[in-house]
Amino acid sequence: EPEVTQTPSHQVTQMGQEVILRCVPISNHLYFYWYRQILGQKVEFLVSFYNNEISEKSEIFDDQFSVERPDGSNFTLKIRSTKLEDSAMYFCASSFDSGRGFSDTQYFGPGTRLTVL
Amino acid sequence: ILNVEQSPQSLHVQEGDSTNFTCSFPSSNFYALHWYRWETAKSPEALFVMTLNGDEKKKGRISATLNTKEGYSYLYIKGSQPEDSATYLCASSSNTGKLIFGQGTTLQVKP
Repeated sequence: EPEVTQTPSHQVTQMGQEVILRCVPISNHLYFYWYRQILGQKVEFLVSFYNNEISEKSEIFDDQFSVERPDGSNFTLKIRSTKLEDSAMYFCASSFDSGRGFSDTQYFGPGTRLTVL
Repeated sequence: ILNVEQSPQSLHVQEGDSTNFTCSFPSSNFYALHWYRWETAKSPEALFVMTLNGDEKKKGRISATLNTKEGYSYLYIKGSQPEDSATYLCASSSNTGKLIFGQGTTLQVKP
């Protein structure tokens, strides 16, 4: 069964460093998302991406964050200068486009745990 | 801004017990309600997507109901098994597909 994959599973970085989190969505999916969960808090939406551009972003997704689909398979989240408060589990998700986006199932990857020291 | 709440936060039951938990969400501007099952170190697994008031969905021993007028959904597990131990997340969709999650209910089933 197709699945969303993410690499690495755990990333440790120093404050101020750039990190790139990678995701391979399910191959025929057209919508891509990043969410994160800070320890002890709710899973929160960061950004959605469709047709090679951002379709929606949260207030968390400031200029330090960017997303890219560099080829036909990968979807990346870059954090330019990490802060301590960026430490979280980052989830990638993808969905097929049925034309009723709000009811399409989003399939999640296993997450990347980012630790900023 | 949507606020999705789940209760209880955690639940401990014996194998064979049936259990249920609640997800509440704002009933205005409702589009869809999603349930996920999440085991540690694994991907959250999609269980159900429900859109219509009165919807009931079932997958094996797990079922869910939806009341969009009063803004709640129930998840039921019949005859809980140890492998049902997980965190159960609900999320409400915005019209753009963005998911707004509750804090989850963590279920522990003791053999």
